[in-house]
Amino acid sequence: GAVVSQHPSWVICKSGTSVKIECRSLDFQATTMFWYRQFPKQSLMLMATSNEGSKATYEQGVEKDKFLINHASLTLSTLTVTSAHPEDSSFYICSAEGRQGTGELFFGEGSRLTVL
Amino acid sequence: GENVEQHPSTLSVQEGDSAVIKCTYSDSASNYFPWYKQELGKRPQLIIDIRSNVGEKKDQRIAVTLNKTAKHFSLHITETQPEDSAVYFCAASIYGNKLVFGAGTILRVKS
Repeated sequence: GAVVSQHPSWVICKSGTSVKIECRSLDFQATTMFWYRQFPKQSLMLMATSNEGSKATYEQGVEKDKFLINHASLTLSTLTVTSAHPEDSSFYICSAEGRQGTGELFFGEGSRLTVL
Repeated sequence: GENVEQHPSTLSVQEGDSAVIKCTYSDSASNYFPWYKQELGKRPQLIIDIRSNVGEKKDQRIAVTLNKTAKHFSLHITETQPEDSAVYFCAASIYGNKLVFGAGTILRVKS
């Protein structure tokens, strides 16, 4: 299957700082990537759809100014958590469609963010 | 929008027994139904999927069934093994659109 790589796998930061998470499709091009958030023992909640060369589409209730998404190339999308607070601590996972139009998603390793 | 419900939330089975997890979806336009397995702290892994033009699909010990009329689909794992223990998520989408996940089922296989 397609390979999606995410970095960093974990990060600890102080309140008020910003954290950037990268998501790369290693062996295919992804015009669309998805960012999910997962709290402990809970399901994956879609935060936003990242579109190469255009603005991301955010789900209802997700602050676009807090969770900045940039999809500058066909293999890289970034999520920046701005002015992070403890309640932003979570597991963030990106995914990309292996073959466009199939709906089949492959996930990155996930990034565990802890905000102190 | 799409809503996916998943049951049960936890499931314990004896090694060698079968496990069944059920999901229902709300949007009749959904046509793609994958199942993911997630181990603690790791990424979800696609284990099997089914599209709306098929009623059943099998891959070794894993099978998925789809009832479009009732809008529900199920995951069947036969001859369960301890390494099957994980959290399983069902999901639904329209081709190329965002996946909506169920709440997850914690499967414990007791040896």
